[in-house]
Amino acid sequence: DAGVTQTPRHEVAEKGQTIILKCEPVSGHNDLFWYRQTKIQGLELLSYFRSKSLMEDGGAFKDRFKAEMLNSSFSTLKIQPTEPKDSAVYLCASGDWGSSQNTLYFGAGTRLSVL
Amino acid sequence: AQSVTQPDARVTVSEGASLQLRCKYSYFGTPYLFWYVQYPRQGLQLLLKYYPGDPVVQGVNGFEAEFSKSNSSFHLRKASVHWSDWAVYFCAVSPQSGSFNKLTFGAGTRLAVCP
Repeated sequence: DAGVTQTPRHEVAEKGQTIILKCEPVSGHNDLFWYRQTKIQGLELLSYFRSKSLMEDGGAFKDRFKAEMLNSSFSTLKIQPTEPKDSAVYLCASGDWGSSQNTLYFGAGTRLSVL
Repeated sequence: AQSVTQPDARVTVSEGASLQLRCKYSYFGTPYLFWYVQYPRQGLQLLLKYYPGDPVVQGVNGFEAEFSKSNSSFHLRKASVHWSDWAVYFCAVSPQSGSFNKLTFGAGTRLAVCP
């Protein structure tokens, strides 16, 4: 089985640009997450989808961050407009809580640098 | 609300030495507990997970962890560290009745291995 695929691996943006990060979850998983990872804040939950429905949108990230899941095999995270403080690694993860695995699978992440 | 504390931001051990990474959790009741590892430029991978039962849990690559309800701890151990274990290790906690979106991660412990 393919794991979680994230593209691009690296993204460089100018302040004020719009960027879109992409994620393909593991086939058959019902739960999909977007996290932001920084050395200072650690892992911060941005969005959570269950069976394509947005269940949680990470409060503090609402205004410029928008995650979508148009089908069960693809999700995007849009940041608009970008700011230098958005520089971080963005991780996508999928899983199926309640299955025998109860394991969350992470993608390799997208490293975003905002200049 | 649950929380996880990893008191050691960084641990350095010699190759071949034993290892213990500490994790303390706060949760009313008995939670599910996890250890994830993040190798350089990769996403997080599950090392092991604890569900109520045997307090000592075996994971991949010779890792094990021991749950202690009295100490609210879930420390990770390895008898002999290899250079390839150089990574960041995250402890995580979840309520038994919850789902992935209730998963709370610690700040991580960065493990360095000396030759």
